[in-house]
Amino acid sequence: SQQGEEDPQALSIQEGENATMNCSYKTSINNLQWYRQNSGRGLVHLILIRSNEREKHSGRLRVTLDTSKKSSSLLITASRAADTASYFCATKPWGTSGSRLTFGEGTQLTVNP
Amino acid sequence: NAGVMQNPRHLVRRRGQEARLRCSPMKGHSHVYWYRQLPEEGLKFMVYLQKENIIDESGMPKERFSAEFPKEGPSILRIQQVVRGDSAAYFCASSPEFGYGYTFGSGTRLTVV
Repeated sequence: SQQGEEDPQALSIQEGENATMNCSYKTSINNLQWYRQNSGRGLVHLILIRSNEREKHSGRLRVTLDTSKKSSSLLITASRAADTASYFCATKPWGTSGSRLTFGEGTQLTVNP
Repeated sequence: NAGVMQNPRHLVRRRGQEARLRCSPMKGHSHVYWYRQLPEEGLKFMVYLQKENIIDESGMPKERFSAEFPKEGPSILRIQQVVRGDSAAYFCASSPEFGYGYTFGSGTRLTVV
């Protein structure tokens, strides 16, 4: 099945709540990245975590990586309506050329005001 | 630094026509990647190019699709004899030869009527 699978597929929360999205993958990776995509727009890089890292923070974002379970989670704390978007994880597997990434199908996050 | 520039933003073609999508990488970036995104799906890798070379085209359909990145000028993704199933958003990304710095363009939305 698809390398980089997010769950849930869709998530709806109230402003101020935390949002957690998960990503699973199948092959060994060099790094894992999270991107945001607003409707009809391009992708914005959020955060990159390397295979030898377990946790990383950036502002209201917290990413964890468990290479033994081949999974990652993205936590957005104190969500805002402006966080409404699709979130994708992308992996750079070992052995692939350049910076080619494999994307999951995404989680659609809706933050209600 | 203008980032990764893609044009046109929107392209409408009739079945059987040709579509040409252009991508100018970020200044200093020598690697270009093309991805396709169908509605409600994640991005699927198509091709990875360096100047005048195709490095990895494992994601490209065998027929009708071609890509180039000439010594001078933008990278071009060319789709001949378009069909309705080619309707999608096509994203270009670029990266430097060394290090991370992966950046996406805003995409070209192709509609085949």
